[in-house]
Amino acid sequence: DSGVTQTPKHLITATGQRVTLRCSPRSGDLSVYWYQQSLDQGLQFLIHYYNGEERAKGNILERFSAQQFPDLHSELNLSSLELGDSALYFCASSPRRDGEQFFGPGTRLTVL
Amino acid sequence: QQQVKQSPQSLIVQKGGISIINCAYENTAFDYFPWYQQFPGKGPALLIAIRPDVSEKKEGRFTISFNKSAKQFSLHIMDSQPGDSATYFCAAAPNTGNQFYFGTGTSLTVIP
Repeated sequence: DSGVTQTPKHLITATGQRVTLRCSPRSGDLSVYWYQQSLDQGLQFLIHYYNGEERAKGNILERFSAQQFPDLHSELNLSSLELGDSALYFCASSPRRDGEQFFGPGTRLTVL
Repeated sequence: QQQVKQSPQSLIVQKGGISIINCAYENTAFDYFPWYQQFPGKGPALLIAIRPDVSEKKEGRFTISFNKSAKQFSLHIMDSQPGDSATYFCAAAPNTGNQFYFGTGTSLTVIP
């Protein structure tokens, strides 16, 4: 158990809908990262927050947004969902802005 | 484009054998190279990591070999066990930030 929690574990929704994925980092970790894992694209970095501020953006679609709150938990919002958004979404946390990242168990999103 | 190239895609090894997974990169700004292990339905978990100031790092049965001039690094699993059967990902992170660029993964099966 990495100490990173993600909810919900599974999410099934329809195209065009909006969902929110939640991540609680390990106690004391200031950095939160979001990754998307799909069969054809592998693990892709989406976005990194450090102590509430956005630090880096990767291959994140404009339909997706994220934020990190003062208590350091983070939410990833996915809107106007498409079939291709079906994937595993992982959150990872780190105590610093670099180095080891600890991954949560993931949220499996299925868009029908 | 894929910033980190990983091979092989799948690997079958006899119990007690050596499993070798290779990765290559182009970006000379990468300065942190972790390996992650992922079991089905779980998030990736850090196995071992290396920085370019050393050519080898060993932790138990797991060894990373790093060749800075060739821009290659590899994971060796000695005395492979059926419990090592999992998907292994190499990754690289630049010195300017901490977004991980993952390889495409290697599915390892260790047969008894």
